Amino acid sequence: KNEVEQSPQNLTAQEGEFITINCSYSVGISALHWLQQHPGGGIVSLFMLSSGKKKHGRLIATINIQEKHSSLHITASHPRDSAVYICAAGGTSYGKLTFGQGTILTVHP
Amino acid sequence: DTEVTQTPKHLVMGMTNKKSLKCEQHMGHRAMYWYKQKAKKPPELMFVYSYEKLSINESVPSRFSPECPNSSLLNLHLHALQPEDSALYLCASSQGAVGHYEQYFGPGTRLTVT
Repeated sequence: KNEVEQSPQNLTAQEGEFITINCSYSVGISALHWLQQHPGGGIVSLFMLSSGKKKHGRLIATINIQEKHSSLHITASHPRDSAVYICAAGGTSYGKLTFGQGTILTVHP
Repeated sequence: DTEVTQTPKHLVMGMTNKKSLKCEQHMGHRAMYWYKQKAKKPPELMFVYSYEKLSINESVPSRFSPECPNSSLLNLHLHALQPEDSALYLCASSQGAVGHYEQYFGPGTRLTVT
């Protein structure tokens, strides 16, 4: 079993739909990171959170430390949101990130 | 400036060549990272530098040799690579080498070993 599990692995949505990607982890963390990667591209950090909830525009990330679970929500999805979304657990030493396998999101117009 | 730059963007090299990848950041970050990413897989950590000293080597073969000449610059020297080393090589930096600092990633170097 991976230390960081994401679901679903693939997600297809119609433009405007509300999207949720889930992440469960079994390791101790100092923070949970959500990253976005467009095809062939570099990685962009979307959120880093250690408690509660954060919001940037249409994106919302939540974390439940007791349950070791985090979710990334996208409201009013758009085709430009199509990308791979990666959850990563930030360790307590040396900055090592333990990555989930990623969720491939495709949003159709 | 919140950018991490990497050069070159693409590199094709033979198995007997020696080449280097370069990464630069001017955010005053004290931790820098090299990752390797194969298609449809998450990144794999290779090396972590903290305050210009190597902190983590994730059992990377010696044909990959990292170097941190100063706090803004990170190099990855490549020698006698194998075709299976073909991948996207990503550099990242963060304020410190602890998991609660955001990591800023460069665009990557796509390496093909022939």
